[in-house]
Amino acid sequence: GENVEQHPSTLSVQEGDSAVIKCTYSDSASNYFPWYKQELGKRPQLIIDIRSNVGEKKDQRIAVTLNKTAKHFSLHITETQPEDSAVYFCAAKISNTDKLIFGTGTRLQVFP
Amino acid sequence: DAGITQSPRHKVTETGTPVTLRCHQTENHRYMYWYRQDPGHGLRLIHYSYGVKDTDKGEVSDGYSVSRSKTEDFLLTLESATSSQTSVYFCAISENVSGSPLHFGNGTRLTVT
Repeated sequence: GENVEQHPSTLSVQEGDSAVIKCTYSDSASNYFPWYKQELGKRPQLIIDIRSNVGEKKDQRIAVTLNKTAKHFSLHITETQPEDSAVYFCAAKISNTDKLIFGTGTRLQVFP
Repeated sequence: DAGITQSPRHKVTETGTPVTLRCHQTENHRYMYWYRQDPGHGLRLIHYSYGVKDTDKGEVSDGYSVSRSKTEDFLLTLESATSSQTSVYFCAISENVSGSPLHFGNGTRLTVT
């Protein structure tokens, strides 16, 4: 079946540094790629998403890039802050379905 | 916050007993989903619904069934719970899966002893 791979599984950075999380997907016709942030004990919440007709999208300190040829997309967080510490999940919509498949998550720790 | 309520929030049950988890939404969204979350596996889709009485299987549907008799309610049933079904279960809703985000409920922590 279709799948989404996410790396790294854990990431530690110093406050103020940048963090990058990468995902690859198997369905070449996927057209929607959201990212979710989950704080400890809380529900996942959407932070940014991108559709296959654009290559990059930014929202303040967060950006997502998409390479359709290589079938991978990445989350970039600049000027990280301790409150960015959480688990981040990428996801991809499987073409011709209503299914959203998630990666296995990245635990980001930002040290002051 | 999207109007999604999951019940119960916590449940402990014994192996072999039936269990039903409920997801209730007040947003009138068409799509509803059940995911389970386990360490090292992320969020895995169990079943989803694209309308009243319209459901389909996800990645890990074995041992689970669902029903949607009303737009606002999506039930997940474990006919005979097993220890491998110990997990955190999240319900999610979406207006349009290709363009609108999933909004998640607060989750149900299920322990099967």
